[in-house]
Order: sequence, then structure tokens, then C-alpha cells
Amino acid sequence: GAGVSQSPRYKVAKRGQDVALRCDPISGHVSLFWYQQALGQGPEFLTYFQNEAQLDKSGLPSDRFFAERPEGSVSTLKIQRTQQEDSAVYLCASSLMRTDFNYGYTFGSGTRLTVV
Amino acid sequence: AQKVTQAQTEISVVEKEDVTLDCVYETRDTTYYLFWYKQPPSGELVFLIRRNSFDEQNEISGRYSWNFQKSTSSFNFTITASQVVDSAVYFCALVRSGAGSYQLTFGKGTKLSVIP
Repeated sequence: GAGVSQSPRYKVAKRGQDVALRCDPISGHVSLFWYQQALGQGPEFLTYFQNEAQLDKSGLPSDRFFAERPEGSVSTLKIQRTQQEDSAVYLCASSLMRTDFNYGYTFGSGTRLTVV
Repeated sequence: AQKVTQAQTEISVVEKEDVTLDCVYETRDTTYYLFWYKQPPSGELVFLIRRNSFDEQNEISGRYSWNFQKSTSSFNFTITASQVVDSAVYFCALVRSGAGSYQLTFGKGTKLSVIP
């Protein structure tokens, strides 16, 4: 596609519910990143994929967070037993190469998760 | 550890005024990249500029200009003759260069409101 597509755009979850957030990167982009942006804050790194391999998950805040990219394209960020502190915008970004700093990464519009 | 500080949380200007957004960074790395991103209300992060730590030349792109001063670890962004469409949250970000580097460290952002 022309850009990075994320769905759903908004998600309201009851505390304790599991959620799945989808990211469809730009076709052919090797690298895929997830960032978490709390209200009034800058994005913070969660995890990084190179094709289907998850090379870095050091930013995942707890073992309730799980990400996958089984075929090296679409990625899903899953949060189990959601808690109020999980409320944030989850941004996905992709790049053609591992580090495409010439043009930065292309970010999606994010999924705004609200846990009530 | 890396850190990016955007001391201005919110700025309001009247249309056609010039405005400067401040960014101060901390890093122990000798080579790194600095970025500015714009986040309009739609949520996506829009890449504006990348600056390599080796290149201290200031840059101008239309109404936008950037002042990189390594001596003061600052990378400030000026919008000349601001317009209502410039209203957004602006983020400064940092990443070290070199193999294995990909995590962007963002500041908390500056919300710019341009009043007609």
C-alpha cells in the first residue's frame, strides 16, 4: 500500500480484556517497529522486526505484551489482560532497510487504545 | 543513555508570526542522527528532516529552517510566517548511527497552535 495502515483506529477495552492491534506496513518494507505513545508524551520503542524475525523486544513493558509478524509483512501487537496503564496510542512504523535514516521511518496513524 | 528535551510544552502564535521550537539532546555517542517529526491531529508522524551529527550546516526548506549546534547539543526548528496548517505537535528525536542501531529516542513534543 501507499502508506502504513493500522487498524482499528480506536479501541475501547474493558480492563482484563485481550486486544489485538494490526499493522500493515508498506509493501516490501523489511523493517517494522512498534512504538507506544502515552498521552502528552513522545513515542517510546516497543519492539523491532526484520522480516519475520523479532530482533528486539526490549521495550515491551510486560509479558502481557506480545508481537508477531509471521510472514514478514503484517504484524499484530497483542495485549493480554489489559490494564488502565496500557491506554495509549500504539504506532507502527516501517522502513525499506534496517536503518533507513535518510528518510526516517514511515509511521502509521496509530491505534488509540482506551482501557476502561 | 540518550535523552531528548523539548522544554516548550505548548506554544501559541498568531498567524504569520515566526516561531522557534527548541530541542536539546544528550548522548554519549560521537555519531548520531537527529530528526524532527510533525504529528497533526490525524495522528501519524510525518518526517520533516534528518541531520547527521557530522553535518552542522543549517538547512532551510521553504518556511522551515533548522539550526544544529553541536557545541550546545541543540537542534532547533524555526517556522517562518506560520500558518494555521502548521498547528500540530512537533517531536525531536535522536538515534545513534552505526550497525545495530534503530531505536528512536523522542522528546515529549511541543504542541504548536497557530491562531488565525
